[in-house]
Amino acid sequence: DTGVSQDPRHKITKRGQNVTFRCDPISEHNRLYWYRQTLGQGPEFLTYFQNEAQLEKSRLLSDRFSAERPKGSFSTLEIQRTEQGDSAMYLCASSSDSRGSPLHFGNGTRLTVT
Amino acid sequence: DAKTTQPPSMDCAEGRAANLPCNHSTISGNEYVYWYRQIHSQGPQYIIHGLKNNETNEMASLIITEDRKSSTLILPHATLRDTAVYYCIVRVATVAAGNKLTFGGGTRVLVKP
Repeated sequence: DTGVSQDPRHKITKRGQNVTFRCDPISEHNRLYWYRQTLGQGPEFLTYFQNEAQLEKSRLLSDRFSAERPKGSFSTLEIQRTEQGDSAMYLCASSSDSRGSPLHFGNGTRLTVT
Repeated sequence: DAKTTQPPSMDCAEGRAANLPCNHSTISGNEYVYWYRQIHSQGPQYIIHGLKNNETNEMASLIITEDRKSSTLILPHATLRDTAVYYCIVRVATVAAGNKLTFGGGTRVLVKP
């Protein structure tokens, strides 16, 4: 168990550019979650997958955001036409689908939009 | 999911037990209590969770009152590395509920030498 891995750890981009983040969950976990965290706030739920199916999306996930998990393993989160308000820490977590199973988080990707 | 109330901050002495309270007076019978902590610039770290019974692991102990309306996370011997924001989260734990967590403001714990 190597934990949840996220890449890159930091990303600086100019407003209007597209960015993509990757998350590799714990291998036996079939659920994968994306969260966003801004400075001084707790993490906010964005979306989650059960295997390759995206089962829930928060209203925070605007049309410029898209997440995929094509083979039910790793996931990508893409932000198109980035805005300064997108600057945040993007966290990925995974869990099994057993009742009560806790989420295990990665260390996030910190995005700065200039 | 039930709402939780935690003190915004607390100080603890290094080497002493740290007792972190959480109120969840509207908790329902199928909701678990989870504790996470977040050290600066890292992702939230799972600590412990429980439904009705007290739980203990290598990191902490979780004490849930008999009426389940409040709980206490106990760090038995606080170290400087335990300085973090601690989140108490109550969540419906059914397969259909999706396991997602809703974070509140947490308690900012400062362990002092």
